[in-house]
Amino acid sequence: EAQVTQNPRYLITVTGKKLTVTCSQNMNHEYMSWYRQDPGLGLRQIYYSMNVEVTDKGDVPEGYKVSRKEKRNFPLILESPSPNQTSLYFCASSYSSGQETQYFGPGTRLLVL
Amino acid sequence: AQSVTQLGSHVSVSEGALVLLRCNYSSSVPPYLFWYVQYPNQGLQLLLKYTSAATLVKGINGFEAEFKKSETSFHLTKPSAHMSDAAEYFCAVSNQAGTALIFGKGTTLSVSS
Repeated sequence: EAQVTQNPRYLITVTGKKLTVTCSQNMNHEYMSWYRQDPGLGLRQIYYSMNVEVTDKGDVPEGYKVSRKEKRNFPLILESPSPNQTSLYFCASSYSSGQETQYFGPGTRLLVL
Repeated sequence: AQSVTQLGSHVSVSEGALVLLRCNYSSSVPPYLFWYVQYPNQGLQLLLKYTSAATLVKGINGFEAEFKKSETSFHLTKPSAHMSDAAEYFCAVSNQAGTALIFGKGTTLSVSS
C-alpha cells in the first residue's frame, strides 16, 4: 500500500530535550515536506526537500532541522524543543514538486512542557 | 505572493442539503489549486485539484469545485451532504516556485440529521 508513515504519533517531552520525528514514504517520491498545523492558522511549511541531499527552508523553519540522506526518509529534528513548538506535525510527499498532489502522513501530535 | 482565504471557519448544514465551502486565492501566475479534507485524528486526503485542464473539477465523494479566474475563486460544493462529510476542509494553492502548498486556515463542516 502506498503510504507516508510517521513516528511517533504522539509525543510528550520537556523543554530542551532533543527529539526526532521520523517520516518515510514508499512511493519513490522525490519531493518531501514537513508542515505544522496550529488552530486557526492552517498548515505552514517548515522545511522541504526536492531530492536526496537537497533541502531548504519553508515559512517557519526556526528551531527545526531536517536531513535527506535517503530518498524514502525525511526526519524532522528538534534539537532544543520549546513550548511554542507544541503542534500537530505532518509529513508529505509528492512525485517531484510542491505543485503536484501531496500525500500526507497521519500526523504527529507533539506537546512540549 | 500566493495566498488563500477561506470564508467561514465553521459551516453547518443539514443532511441532504447543499454544501458550499468558499475559497478565494491570490496568485501572480496561473495557479495550481487543491482541496484537502481532514477527518478527526487523520492526515489530509486530496479531494480534488485544478491544474488548468478544465474549470469544473470533479473529486472524490461527490465533491466538485469550479475555478473562476475573474473572481479568483475555487469554491467547493456537494449537492447533498452526508453525515460522513463532517470534517475539516482546506483549500490550498501551490506557491510560485512549486516548492510548497499555501493553505487556507480551514473550514470545519458540521452535518446534522
